[in-house]
Amino acid sequence: DAGITQSPRHKVTETGTPVTLRCHQTENHRYMYWYRQDPGHGLRLIHYSYGVKDTDKGEVSDGYSVSRSKTEDFLLTLESATSSQTSVYFCAISEGTGGGYGYTFGSGTRLTVV
Amino acid sequence: QQQVKQSPQSLIVQKGGISIINCAYENTAFDYFPWYQQFPGKGPALLIAIRPDVSEKKEGRFTISFNKSAKQFSLHIMDSQPGDSATYFCAASTGSASKIIFGSGTRLSIRP
Repeated sequence: DAGITQSPRHKVTETGTPVTLRCHQTENHRYMYWYRQDPGHGLRLIHYSYGVKDTDKGEVSDGYSVSRSKTEDFLLTLESATSSQTSVYFCAISEGTGGGYGYTFGSGTRLTVV
Repeated sequence: QQQVKQSPQSLIVQKGGISIINCAYENTAFDYFPWYQQFPGKGPALLIAIRPDVSEKKEGRFTISFNKSAKQFSLHIMDSQPGDSATYFCAASTGSASKIIFGSGTRLSIRP
């Protein structure tokens, strides 16, 4: 997806290990988001950022932390991976807040915790 | 707390038919209602969006119908094509919010 890349695209990790997913944007958008996608649950917000070093929790933030030291990078860390965190993770960016500003999503990271 | 309820979970439509996906919301402060389309292995992409000051918005074969009093909105895909086979998410947000709330998704399959 133009302007936003996620890495890695696929990862298999063991239970209890820390994992960091990276989202990188070239659009200079202020807002960045991390969602997880699971069957039957749609897209659920984990954390989001409204500027460098400004972050807030979403609806499913337990077990996750984020950091944003630069406008272009938003990192998602699973502090101690569990099998329930097996999911597809999407990063999204937005130029503004709420109405009228849609999201641009990355291609996702498929994470498997064994 | 599911603020946007989407149905059906899956839908099969014959080529050339009309696909209809429904969503209902609870928060009357929502003022922006986008639909996203997602193909396998890809991230969701904005398809079409509507504000509650209009009852319908059409873009090509895709139409959003909005019923503010019933707090419901729906996506209609006319002349459905196999290339429309994807997962569709309705969503909602408020002007002051920093985040969009998504429905649970509908997997649409168009049979040739």
